[in-house]
Amino acid sequence: DMKVTQMPRYLIKRMGENVLLECGQDMSHETMYWYRQDPGLGLQLIYISYDVDSNSEGDIPKGYRVSRKKREHFSLILDSAKTNQTSVYFCASSPGTGSSDYTFGSGTRLLVI
Amino acid sequence: AQSVTQPDARVTVSEGASLQLRCKYSYSGTPYLFWYVQYPRQGLQLLLKYYSGDPVVQGVNGFEAEFSKSNSSFHLRKASVHWSDSAVYFCALSPYAQGLTFGLGTRVSVFP
Repeated sequence: DMKVTQMPRYLIKRMGENVLLECGQDMSHETMYWYRQDPGLGLQLIYISYDVDSNSEGDIPKGYRVSRKKREHFSLILDSAKTNQTSVYFCASSPGTGSSDYTFGSGTRLLVI
Repeated sequence: AQSVTQPDARVTVSEGASLQLRCKYSYSGTPYLFWYVQYPRQGLQLLLKYYSGDPVVQGVNGFEAEFSKSNSSFHLRKASVHWSDSAVYFCALSPYAQGLTFGLGTRVSVFP
């Protein structure tokens, strides 16, 4: 079953703590994405990964970093989380740049208190 | 830079009635255009996508969309809605190698 899996589904962290959001895909897709979704703002692109160790900033990268050491796994890291990073984070993948086939995960709901 | 505008934040419609959701885009080239649906506490599911060819594209669950280059629009339609169509609908475009740019979404409520 081709899918994008995000872990954890729900997460509560205190301000200043480090946060790791994980995303995996079983389709050998080259390109992976991290988005955040906020009420009134829609989905905004945080980072794109074109393949292992080939990452590019999206529209709102500040406060985030990413890691992709294996093609099937893409992590989003928040060093010293802030309350304004409370959001729903979605991971997505596509076969490669130029592809129009995107598969989304179910999201991780992060609450920073 | 590209952008997507969905002018209607909320739409309310009676079950069995027709539905149209508006989408306008801004992009200098020819992008891929998409409509996604999001049910509560779920991810995004693709309804349909368009790149070229017949400007009317059919999607899943009876949805269709019409592309207009002259109007920079990609409106979504359904002839007869069901209560299960209540969801948030997102229009998006995808320039080459840049991921998806989304509109803010339209929340659809279907009443019996």
